[in-house]
Amino acid sequence: GPKVLQIPSHQIIDMGQMVTLNCDPVSNHLYFYWYKQILGQQMEFLVNFYNGKVMEKSKLFKDQFSVERPDGSYFTLKIQPTALEDSAVYFCASSSILQNSDYTFGSGTRLLVI
Amino acid sequence: GDSVTQTEGQVTVSESKSLIINCTYSATSIGYPNLFWYVRYPGEGLQLLLKVITAGQKGSSRGFEATYNKEATSFHLQKASVQESDSAVYYCALSLNYNQGKLIFGQGTKLSIKP
Repeated sequence: GPKVLQIPSHQIIDMGQMVTLNCDPVSNHLYFYWYKQILGQQMEFLVNFYNGKVMEKSKLFKDQFSVERPDGSYFTLKIQPTALEDSAVYFCASSSILQNSDYTFGSGTRLLVI
Repeated sequence: GDSVTQTEGQVTVSESKSLIINCTYSATSIGYPNLFWYVRYPGEGLQLLLKVITAGQKGSSRGFEATYNKEATSFHLQKASVQESDSAVYYCALSLNYNQGKLIFGQGTKLSIKP
């Protein structure tokens, strides 16, 4: 079936630096999401995005986080500056505008901030 | 608040034996959330296994089934006879609004199958 691709699969970055996580959603999907999973903990909602706007965000979506999807390309999550507690696996998902549409998830980007 | 609880972090079952993975939920902001089971096979993305959006109904897929029990606020996952290919991490989840709403996940249960 259609897939959500996440690039890169792994990223190591120095604390304080900027990182951009890329997500290539399913082609006809218009809703996009980021989830965060710290090792050993549950996956938690960060943000959802539709029509160029953040629709909802959680308290985990700090001021250092931002999302965008310029010109229908990758849906990105940018963290600037990064902190040690940002180390986690970040999962992207997308869904269509059809009622009761299911999510399609990516395989995740494992981010390590050192 | 709204939450999902899976009490077992890891479960080991012998091949061809039955399986139950427990899931309970709390949905204080809405009476009847939508309930899901997702599965992550090694190296792959999260996949929807089954979903139930009506209280009292049962969902089933690939030999797995789960019943939406609103009295017990439970959505346990069951399978009569597991196979080695069922080895994966299983996540129970709820959403308050099926139309593009966020998912609230449980902690996940890693299922290992003994040959």
